[in-house]
Amino acid sequence: QKEVEQNSGPLSVPEGAIASLNCTYSDRVSQSFFWYRQYSGKSPELIMSIYSNGDKEDGRFTAQLNKASQYVSLLIRDSQPSDSATYLCAVNSGSARQLTFGSGTQLTVLP
Amino acid sequence: SAVISQKPSRDICQRGTSLTIQCQVDSQVTMMFWYRQQPGQSLTLIATANQGSEATYESGFVIDKFPISRPNLTFSTLTVSNMSPEDSSIYLCSGGAQAEAFFGQGTRLTVV
Repeated sequence: QKEVEQNSGPLSVPEGAIASLNCTYSDRVSQSFFWYRQYSGKSPELIMSIYSNGDKEDGRFTAQLNKASQYVSLLIRDSQPSDSATYLCAVNSGSARQLTFGSGTQLTVLP
Repeated sequence: SAVISQKPSRDICQRGTSLTIQCQVDSQVTMMFWYRQQPGQSLTLIATANQGSEATYESGFVIDKFPISRPNLTFSTLTVSNMSPEDSSIYLCSGGAQAEAFFGQGTRLTVV
């Protein structure tokens, strides 16, 4: 069974700090990896996708992928209170393209 | 990216009735997906909606309970049939032209 594991948190960081969110997956043939942000009462919003080993940066967000370790992470630099949300890691493992989601990490950025 | 419009955004329904949720995508997408999200939980895939063929259901979900239509590449519906309070949840559709998937706004369903 394909599994995606995340630290459930909650994770609290002070404003301006770096928030680090981690995710591991069980299916070695996984090909695509995504981070979604979900505010309370809202639907998930795609913030990062990564397909190759290494780092991918987009503004204050950096996704890191290590397929050998089956590990993907999201770093949020200069965290802002508006970053407070639940972050969902999602993995796609095949041609069917449906995503398997982790349980999510609740992040709180303290002013 | 794809923009997905989902409706209704919320509804309160009597047990034993059915509710149909609609999703419209602003571009053609090969596959659409329906998820359920219980309060405080992550997303659970209900089924994959394929255009021109029957939907593919995940373990624990059956067509009689959650019939799905996919008449074209921009539209899909999910019906929650013969509802019970246990069906109270948020239902989400998603889709995308590439590997990335985008979500509708969600339907918050309460069954009383």
